[in-house]
Parts: sequence; structure tokens; C-alpha cells
Amino acid sequence: DTEVTQTPKHLVMGMTNKKSLKCEQHMGHRAMYWYKQKAKKPPELMFVYSYEKLSINESVPSRFSPECPNSSLLNLHLHALQPEDSALYLCASSPQQGQGAGGANVLTFGAGSRLTVL
Amino acid sequence: GIQVEQSPPDLILQEGANSTLRCNFSDSVNNLQWFHQNPWGQLINLFYIPSGTKQNGRLSATTVATERYSLLYISSSQTTDSGVYFCAVKGRGGSEKLVFGKGTKLTVNP
Repeated sequence: DTEVTQTPKHLVMGMTNKKSLKCEQHMGHRAMYWYKQKAKKPPELMFVYSYEKLSINESVPSRFSPECPNSSLLNLHLHALQPEDSALYLCASSPQQGQGAGGANVLTFGAGSRLTVL
Repeated sequence: GIQVEQSPPDLILQEGANSTLRCNFSDSVNNLQWFHQNPWGQLINLFYIPSGTKQNGRLSATTVATERYSLLYISSSQTTDSGVYFCAVKGRGGSEKLVFGKGTKLTVNP
């Protein structure tokens, strides 16, 4: 069983809908991540939160809006998405994040939320 | 930025066979992780190995940082080993993000 929980597992939405993906971890990790993965491709980093502050935004379109309400929760708010945004969205966490963190950068991934935009 | 190349892109084995997966990277790294993604999409961290050798059951990994490569060994493969194996690295002094290779897709047939 994964220690990072993502909900929902599957989501189908229209281009005018607003929905949210949720991620939760109780390992005391202080860094949380959103990745996007298209079929047959590696995960692509979208956002990183470190100590509940946004530390990396990989130039993600504003129709994706991350939120970190507390150290255990990470949300990804979705609005006005396009069909090409259909993908597997992966949440991950690590004890810490950054160049000096060494082994504390080890990522634990959730099972993912598979999003289909119609 | 740092480049990561994995080989082979695809590998098909019979159950019980051994295999070696390779990850080459273009610059010095201070973080290297191997992951296994099962057919349902779950990514599992196998090793954190910026240098040296580690073993966990039938899996082992070696990173030769000075020569900029890492190897993942799978012995006595099982059908549950099927999936995609990713190598991900973080370069020294560069971007703080982990850069993933394109992966090696392993199929283990019974």
C-alpha cells in the first residue's frame, strides 16, 4: 500500500468544468510534488512545495492551480482544461527538497489520478 | 540541463532470466534514483544511489559517478517485475528538479 494517497483515481471532466485532485501523506515529509505523465513518457514535474511554500513552478499553464493547505495535503485545482491535458497526474512527497538534501530527496509516489478531458 | 539516457528502451525476458538496465547521464550528479512503474501506473522507488552499490533482494544497483552511469540488475526475473524502469537524476549545482530518463520497458513472460 502506498503511503501517499491520491483521490480520485479516475476523473472525467468537460472543458468548462472545475475539479480538484487531492493528495495526502502522513509521513511527516516537508516537500510535495505534482507530476504529469502522458502515455509512454516519463513523468514531467509541474510544481514543488517545500515547507508549504511553492518553490518550483515549471511554467505550468494557469488552468492548473496548486494549493498546499498544510504540510500533509496538496491539491491541484483544474479549470478550463483542454483534451491534451488528459494524462496521469502523480503526487509525490519527500522528507525535504533541494540540492543539499541528499537522501532526503527520495520520492514516494502516490498511485496517481487518471484524468480524461472531453 | 543534465541529460539522461536509458538503455535498452525495451527488453523481453523469460521468467527466471537475469537482466541489466543502464542509465547514462551527462554531468555530475548528487542524486540518482531508480523507479519501477507497474502496468497500473504506480511508481515505486527502488534505490537512492548517487554512488556505490546497493542490493535489495533480487535487485541491485551500482552507480559509477566518475564515469557517469548507473546499472540496475534484476536477477531471477518474475512476471511481477514487468513494467517500466526509470532512472532519475539531479545534477550538482544545477536545477533542483529530478530529471527522468525515458525508461526501459521490461516484459517478463511466464
